[in-house]
Amino acid sequence: GQQLNQSPQSMFIQEGEDVSMNCTSSSIFNTWLWYKQDPGEGPVLLIALYKAGELTSNGRLTAQFGITRKDSFLNISASIPSDVGIYFCAGQLQGGSEKLVFGKGTKLTVNP
Amino acid sequence: GAGVSQTPSNKVTEKGKYVELRCDPISGHTALYWYRQSLGQGPEFLIYFQGTGAADDSGLPNDRFFAVRPEGSVSTLKIQRTERGDSAVYLCASSLNGQTGLFFGEGSRLTVL
Repeated sequence: GQQLNQSPQSMFIQEGEDVSMNCTSSSIFNTWLWYKQDPGEGPVLLIALYKAGELTSNGRLTAQFGITRKDSFLNISASIPSDVGIYFCAGQLQGGSEKLVFGKGTKLTVNP
Repeated sequence: GAGVSQTPSNKVTEKGKYVELRCDPISGHTALYWYRQSLGQGPEFLIYFQGTGAADDSGLPNDRFFAVRPEGSVSTLKIQRTERGDSAVYLCASSLNGQTGLFFGEGSRLTVL
């Protein structure tokens, strides 16, 4: 099936540091989304991207839809302890149904 | 409520039993999705409804899994003859029309003993 390669798998950072994670694929996507999941909770939508090249911010979070439509990145600036969690990229494939394909996640740990 | 509601939050059953998981989407959302998430993995697509019909059921692993959405709102995921490998968190999500971001419920954790 279609695969999203999400990296890094995990990150350990100090409070205040910036964070960057990304997703790549060999397939073309129409939509990229970034989610955060806390233990025992469902994923929560952070940012949605709908156009190639689009750069969108949500507070300290910034995400971009790659020009090739095969990749996306998420940046978190000035991390705080509550940023801890698992971040997932997800995308809707070009020519596919409206289902989302998810990456395997990036586990973020922030040390105070 | 304002969000996606899933019941039960936890279900423990024995191998071979039948299980139903319910999802109540955000009011007005026409698209409804079921995903399955195993420990340490991302959500895995099962089935997607647009209104009452299953628009894409390509993720259902086998014929023991079935889902319905008879009135275009609440959906039920049905699992027959459960197996230990079915143990996972089953997530439901809804979207305004399938073209915008999905909003997830908190999931139903299924444990098959």
